[in-house]
Amino acid sequence: QQQVRQSSQSLTVWEGETAILNCSYENSAFDYFPWYQQFPGEGPALLIAIRSVSDKKEDGRFTIFFNKREKNLSLHIKDSQPGDSATYFCAESNYNVLYFGSGTKLTVEP
Amino acid sequence: NSKVIQTPRYLVKGQGQKAKMRCIPEKGHPVVFWYQQNKNNEFKFLINFQNQEVLQQIDMTEKRFSAECPSNSPCSLEIQSSEAGDSALYLCASSPDRDEQYFGPGTRLTVL
Repeated sequence: QQQVRQSSQSLTVWEGETAILNCSYENSAFDYFPWYQQFPGEGPALLIAIRSVSDKKEDGRFTIFFNKREKNLSLHIKDSQPGDSATYFCAESNYNVLYFGSGTKLTVEP
Repeated sequence: NSKVIQTPRYLVKGQGQKAKMRCIPEKGHPVVFWYQQNKNNEFKFLINFQNQEVLQQIDMTEKRFSAECPSNSPCSLEIQSSEAGDSALYLCASSPDRDEQYFGPGTRLTVL
């Protein structure tokens, strides 16, 4: 049973725009929510993560907005670049195993 | 950038053959995870270790899968008798604390 849902399989934005990737979860027991970036032929790379006690986490161009009441979160990528084109996975964990969403393939058009 | 090393990067086996892949976790990371990522981008947790001890594992698919993390040696995941459905990317991740997990590049297994 899919515990983490990513609403879009794919997303295309223009260079310089803000890409917004959405994710929802079911189990309130999970308290750690990372986002991973994966390029073809590579393993997922940890991009940014948030704990459920926070509602926002920012790291450079990447920001997570977290809504505990609604059980959803989003990854905002500001000033998107063609090099950001990749598949992004939302995941959840409770001090152990990661449960991943099915991914959103982001394409940034120049 | 992750410093988890996985070998080999590609593995091709016939049905019924043994398939073995290795992982060297990042230095100082006591926890190691194995995941399977299929062609539909579905991740499946297989097993994890803290130092050399198993923390948690799935049913290990009819016992065809085995894994170990001996001290002073690479961790390994072995499929005793490969099946076509085992074709996937096998990912090793290491962690300093179980939450932050850093993945290697994976071993892509193709079972013919």
